[in-house]
Amino acid sequence: GDSVTQMEGPVTLSEEAFLTINCTYTATGYPSLFWYVQYPGEGLQLLLKATKADDKGSNKGFEATYRKETTSFHLEKGSVQVSDSAVYFCALSDRGSGGSNYKLTFGKGTLLTVNP
Amino acid sequence: NAGVTQTPKFRVLKTGQSMTLLCAQDMNHEYMYWYRQDPGMGLRLIHYSVGEGTTAKGEVPDGYNVSRLKKQNFLLGLESAAPSQTSVYFCASSYQAPGLAYEQFFGPGTRLTVL
Repeated sequence: GDSVTQMEGPVTLSEEAFLTINCTYTATGYPSLFWYVQYPGEGLQLLLKATKADDKGSNKGFEATYRKETTSFHLEKGSVQVSDSAVYFCALSDRGSGGSNYKLTFGKGTLLTVNP
Repeated sequence: NAGVTQTPKFRVLKTGQSMTLLCAQDMNHEYMYWYRQDPGMGLRLIHYSVGEGTTAKGEVPDGYNVSRLKKQNFLLGLESAAPSQTSVYFCASSYQAPGLAYEQFFGPGTRLTVL
């Protein structure tokens, strides 16, 4: 079945540091890939997405590239801010037929804390 | 637009009590979902619906029931609450299937404690 593995947290960085959160996946089909972010006390919201190999999703300074050869979708940001402190979830959804594309499969989440 | 709303925000139950969580969306979305979030477990899908009048089981459906009588509402019921159901519950909706790269919109969550 489909699965997502992301790096264990928590991750603590100083403001303006470079961020990488690793995400690898296993999928039976050809999935769409997502990063969701959860700020304290809130629900999840979409950060970025990619739908095919070599696509780069980007938003708010965050980027992730769909790497089919390494089955990865690592999240990066060049200079983090205190306001980026949140839990980040990598997720996938199979684009196959047969009803499997209804579902998002999430990683366990990575807590990021950015200190001033 | 309010987006996805959930009521209540917090609830404490005793073992064996029942309750219903209400989710409402005003985006005319076809798909709706109920997840639970537990520490170190990520989000796990309880039940989902692909349209008014339809429901289906997700990964962890035991102990829960759902109904989607109106397109905008998705109810999650606990008939006899157990301490293992202590969790944060999130409702989500999407216009179409996430496999087609459609975004899921999440509500703010309901924190449920079962004593």
